[in-house]
Amino acid sequence: EAAVTQSPRNKVTVTGGNVTLSCRQTNSHNYMYWYRQDTGHGLRLIHYSYGAGNLQIGDVPDGYKATRTTQEDFFLLLELASPSQTSLYFCASRPQGAETLYFGSGTRLTVL
Amino acid sequence: AQSVTQPDARVTVSEGASLQLRCKYSSSGTPYLFWYVQYPRQGLQLLLKYYSGDPVVQGVNGFEAEFSKSNSSFHLRKASVHWSDSAVYFCVLSAGAGNTGKLIFGLGTTLQVQP
Repeated sequence: EAAVTQSPRNKVTVTGGNVTLSCRQTNSHNYMYWYRQDTGHGLRLIHYSYGAGNLQIGDVPDGYKATRTTQEDFFLLLELASPSQTSLYFCASRPQGAETLYFGSGTRLTVL
Repeated sequence: AQSVTQPDARVTVSEGASLQLRCKYSSSGTPYLFWYVQYPRQGLQLLLKYYSGDPVVQGVNGFEAEFSKSNSSFHLRKASVHWSDSAVYFCVLSAGAGNTGKLIFGLGTTLQVQP
C-alpha cells in the first residue's frame, strides 16, 4: 500500500506569513502532485513534479512555489500567504506507467 | 476542452437501497476514467478505473461503473449501500497524453446514507 504523509495536519497563519507544507512518499514514485480542494471548485492542481529537482506548473500556481528535494519529498511554499489561500491541500504520488494517484490525508491551512 | 460534470451535488439514500451516481465527461481522445472516494477527514482513494475493454468495471466494496461512449458517461453504481458508504465521490478524467497524470476532477457528489 502506497504511503503518502503530509505535515502539518492543520496550520494557521496570518496574511503575509511564510508557510511550508510538507509531503513525503515512501514508495519511490516518480510523480508527485500538490492540489487544493475548495467547495465549488473540486480539486485543482497547483504544481507537480516528475522527479527530484523537477518542477511543473499546474493549473492554479499563482502565489505558490514548490520544491522537490528528493524522490520522496515534495514541499509547497507560500511566501506571502493570503486569505484566498485558505484551503485544504492534498499531496499525491503516482508511479511511472500507472494512472492511479495515492493521496495523503491533507493539510488544512487557514490564513487570517 | 476536456471536462467532467457530476450533476448531483448531494444524494441521499436509505441503507440497503441501490445507488447510482452520475458522471458525464467530455474528451477529445480516448478517456481514462476513474472514481475516487473521500471519507471524512481523509484523502482520496481509488474506487475503480476504466481504460478500455468491458464497459462495466468492478471496484472495491461492491461498486461498479459503466462506461458509455455514446452517452459520454461513466456512472457509478452499487446494488445495496451501507451507512459506511457515506462520503464524497469524485469522477475523474485523465487529461495527460503519455503519463503526465494530469487529472480533471468533477466537483464531487456527497452521498449520505440514512439508517
